[in-house]
Amino acid sequence: GEDVEQSLFLSVREGDSSVINCTYTDSSSTYLYWYKQEPGAGLQLLTYIFSNMDMKQDQRLTVLLNKKDKHLSLRIADTQTGDSAIYFCAESTPYNQGGKLIFGQGTELSVKP
Amino acid sequence: ETGVTQTPRHLVMGMTNKKSLKCEQHLGHNAMYWYKQSAKKPLELMFVYNFKEQTENNSVPSRFSPECPNSSHLFLHLHTLQPEDSALYLCASSQGGYEGYSNQPQHFGDGTRLSIL
Repeated sequence: GEDVEQSLFLSVREGDSSVINCTYTDSSSTYLYWYKQEPGAGLQLLTYIFSNMDMKQDQRLTVLLNKKDKHLSLRIADTQTGDSAIYFCAESTPYNQGGKLIFGQGTELSVKP
Repeated sequence: ETGVTQTPRHLVMGMTNKKSLKCEQHLGHNAMYWYKQSAKKPLELMFVYNFKEQTENNSVPSRFSPECPNSSHLFLHLHTLQPEDSALYLCASSQGGYEGYSNQPQHFGDGTRLSIL
């Protein structure tokens, strides 16, 4: 079945780059997503990448996709204390497999001043 | 209002109470979802509605009863809950998809924090 794995914690210093990694098992995934959850809030869609792309950049965020290794990463440049949150990776299954999102457990990013 | 709005934000109820959670989306979407988020566990998909039709019930106990009167509103009716049902309940919406399923980006509300006494 589908499975999405993330490391649970990451700690960085303010101004450094953060790299959050994710592995998934379903090679037929169509889209891969990154969501951010701040305390007391829901999940905020940060960015997503279509499975035929290998990179997407959006301001401080860079998403890299290695489809061969089923590895997705989110790089946050110049990390700020406001970036402290839980980051969820999710893959979407194709329509003929239910067309739903499978989420990882989330990586808690802690940014120290 | 914009986005996905959930009410109430917090709910404390006894095991014998009946209450309802409400979700409303103003994004013009036609697929809506209920998720349960418990500490230290991945997000659990509970129910999916696509064009007001339920397309997924992920083995959810019957003490949770969803209702989708139109594409903008989704309810979760609760009765006779158990302490392990205490969690954050998140609603999401997306563009509807083909044959009842959608893999489009989902937009989430801020959730209802539910505590069962």
